[in-house]
Amino acid sequence: QSVLTQPPSVSGAPGQRVTISCTGSSSNIGAGYDVHWYKQLPGTAPKLLISGNTNRPSGVPDRFSGSKSGTSASLAITGLQAEDEADYYCQSYDSNLSGPYVVFGGGTKLTVL
Amino acid sequence: EVQLVESGGGLVQPGGSLTVSCAASGFTFNIYEMNWVRQAPGKGLEWVSYISSGGDATYYADSVKGRFTISRDNAANSLYLHMSGLRAEDTAVYYCASDDYGALHWGQGTLVTVSS
Repeated sequence: QSVLTQPPSVSGAPGQRVTISCTGSSSNIGAGYDVHWYKQLPGTAPKLLISGNTNRPSGVPDRFSGSKSGTSASLAITGLQAEDEADYYCQSYDSNLSGPYVVFGGGTKLTVL
Repeated sequence: EVQLVESGGGLVQPGGSLTVSCAASGFTFNIYEMNWVRQAPGKGLEWVSYISSGGDATYYADSVKGRFTISRDNAANSLYLHMSGLRAEDTAVYYCASDDYGALHWGQGTLVTVSS
């Protein structure tokens, strides 16, 4: 059971817009920790897609955008393309008596119809 | 450019031990916090362990606490994960990841298979 909750799957036709939600709680996203998003193709390592809730690293198309509000965050992909088909993960931090630690969502499989 | 290269994975029997390594280059390794993250076959990402930039603070997931030890050698730009008491459920690709203001940059991973 992942600390952050994502839908297992989403789908959309080429050119459409899809969103992937990431729901946390008051001990992680709601505590003010940033949310980061990763894209993972089969057999490869995750790649940073969005950092610090809304920032796109160099080379990431502006079709990808992130937002955060309260205890949730979202990844939006516009102008869907076949190469966007992948698994997407959100990541943040949580904290306990030992200190802050990394937490992930369970991942969302995006299918381009 | 950040480059992280894991090595040391392989097949190990239940109850056995293994150390995986991560060679870092392209950034100032000794000022970055580091993590190990694993991914079981067909499953999602699971954080395993964290180490501070100087190596004086370490944290572990409950699933590996007492069995895994994270360490680093800043002079050698290297990160390590010593795993003992390995179980079938530890079978996964192990990724090292540098922490850049909370966002992770990943290596390509090394596969650890625990099986008799």
